[in-house]
Amino acid sequence: AQKVTQAQTEISVVEKEDVTLDCVYETRDTTYYLFWYKQPPSGELVFLIRRNSFDEQNEISGRYSWNFQKSTSSFNFTITASQVVDSAVYFCALMNRDDKIIFGKGTRLHILP
Amino acid sequence: EAQVTQNPRYLITVTGKKLTVTCSQNMNHEYMSWYRQDPGLGLRQIYYSMNVEVTDKGDVPEGYKVSRKEKRNFPLILESPSPNQTSLYFCASSLGTGGNTDTQYFGPGTRLTVL
Repeated sequence: AQKVTQAQTEISVVEKEDVTLDCVYETRDTTYYLFWYKQPPSGELVFLIRRNSFDEQNEISGRYSWNFQKSTSSFNFTITASQVVDSAVYFCALMNRDDKIIFGKGTRLHILP
Repeated sequence: EAQVTQNPRYLITVTGKKLTVTCSQNMNHEYMSWYRQDPGLGLRQIYYSMNVEVTDKGDVPEGYKVSRKEKRNFPLILESPSPNQTSLYFCASSLGTGGNTDTQYFGPGTRLTVL
């Protein structure tokens, strides 16, 4: 079965702290894609990253970094030196070979000033 | 400017009255999809399309239809809306190449209320 689990429903951290959002996935496919999206309080959806299952390299983009580990079926997202503007709901998602996308339930992140 | 547009942004309708939510992209993207977002259920894919005249069901296709007659447009059709289709709907598009740089673009969302 295909499944994406974001066990952390809600997280609160103080500004400037680092925070990691967990994402664990299940799939039978050997070729798949993983995604992270951000949904700020204004409601729009923002694409953050797409990662191919054959590419386990970690990705860094400014204060954001992603750790993809096939051994544990995880694709975790870390925000370094968090800022209030990072407050949002973050979704992890999985796309299999059939191009269908399945989302986790999301993690609501509060960055406290 | 690269964008995905959806119309209408807000719609209140009544049960059984057919409606169409339009989605259009100006990036010549191959992949387009529709999602609905509901409290407690998160985001769920309704339909997706890999190219013109190619559409497939997502997780929750019941009660919806789509068409892809041109690459740029991917309308979502509710033939006989019901209150359980009250939701926030997003359209999205991407190149569809499968590469890590294949960015997905989202429309602004359509908030639909079915009375």
